[in-house]
Parts: sequence; C-alpha cells; structure tokens
Amino acid sequence: DQQVKQNSPSLSVQEGRISILNCDYTNSMFDYFLWYKKYPAEGPTFLISISSIKDKNEDGRFTVFLNKSAKHLSLHIVPSQPGDSAVYFCAASGLGNTDKLIFGTGTRLQVFP
Amino acid sequence: DVKVTQSSRYLVKRTGEKVFLECVQDMDHENMFWYRQDPGLGLRLIYFSYDVKMKEKGDIPEGYSVSREKKERFSLILESASTNQTSMYLCASSFGVSGANVLTFGAGSRLTVL
Repeated sequence: DQQVKQNSPSLSVQEGRISILNCDYTNSMFDYFLWYKKYPAEGPTFLISISSIKDKNEDGRFTVFLNKSAKHLSLHIVPSQPGDSAVYFCAASGLGNTDKLIFGTGTRLQVFP
Repeated sequence: DVKVTQSSRYLVKRTGEKVFLECVQDMDHENMFWYRQDPGLGLRLIYFSYDVKMKEKGDIPEGYSVSREKKERFSLILESASTNQTSMYLCASSFGVSGANVLTFGAGSRLTVL
C-alpha cells in the first residue's frame, strides 16, 4: 500500500515558467514532509521541508505548500531552470523516535530552453 | 564537506553469489539506512540501524541482511543474489532518531545480477 503517492511520473516545463510537482499521502499521522532531488548517477539531496504546523515554506525559487485536510503537498519552482531537470521525490514521516521516512515514487522534471 | 561513501558504484554478479555493499559516513551520525530505488517504485527501505550492532527491518528486508560493527560503517549483504535484486542501492545516514531528520545519501551502488 503506497502511503505517499506522486501520480505524475514525468513533467516537462519551459525554462522561466513555473514547475508544480504534486504529492498525496494517506496517513494522517504524518507530521513532517520533505522534498529530495536526484540527478542521474548521484544520490538524492535534500531540497526543502515543511512541518504540519505550517501550510507554506519558501526557500529561494522553491516553495512547498501543504494542505493537511486534502492530504496533499506540492512543490513550486519559479522560475524553472534547465539545471532543475532531475527526479523529485516527496517523503513523509511522523515525529516519533521510531518513525521512518516514507518516499513517493518520484516525478521526473525536464526543463527545456 | 560531509559525506556518505559507497565503495562500489557498479557491480555485476551472478545468481547465487554473495554480495557485500559497503557504506561509510564521516558525520558521526547515529542512524544509517539502506534503500533500493526501482523505476515506478521510488525508494524503499530495506534495513536501518539506530546504533552500533543494532538493526531493524525496513519494508522489504527479504533476501538481505546487514551488519553494523562500527558507528561509521553499515554493510548490506545479499546472501544469495537473485535477478530480482538488480537495482540501485542507496545508503543514507542521519543525526538523531526522529523521522524528521534529514537524510544524507551516498551516490548509490548499481547492482546487476545475471
């Protein structure tokens, strides 16, 4: 049972436009959400996070929005750049000591000139 | 610059062989993890460890075992490799025990089992 879902396996966006990556989750006990970015032949790197007490967190061109009632989060990249082309994974966790991070299936973003 | 180092980037093994994947971190992190990444399935947790000599099963532990004799080193062992274990294996570490702690990943080990 996939607790964290990324329903779009791929997304193609023109440079300078907004990229919106979506993620849905089923477990209402999740309290912390993260986005990781992965380039080919490299490990995932942490991008941005948000806790359940917030509905928005911003870091430069990257903003994550959380809608707890809908169990939905999204990552906005504005403006998109060719270097943003990568696979993006959302992940979720509770805050307990034994809670593990659950990853989604990933969305491949391609930003073209 | 903090690092998680996976000793083998690419391996090709035959069915039935024993395979060792080594991971070393230099951040003095308590927690270490092994994931596998497969297309359409995302990252799935195989095993993790919160302390030396301690291990816990993740979501897909079948066919794998782990060893953590030293804090900085976490090894993944495939006792008898099978073709369905062909995958990208990712090691990660984190400071602290909460699931909210950010994971630092290694570059990955791509294993092909023939």
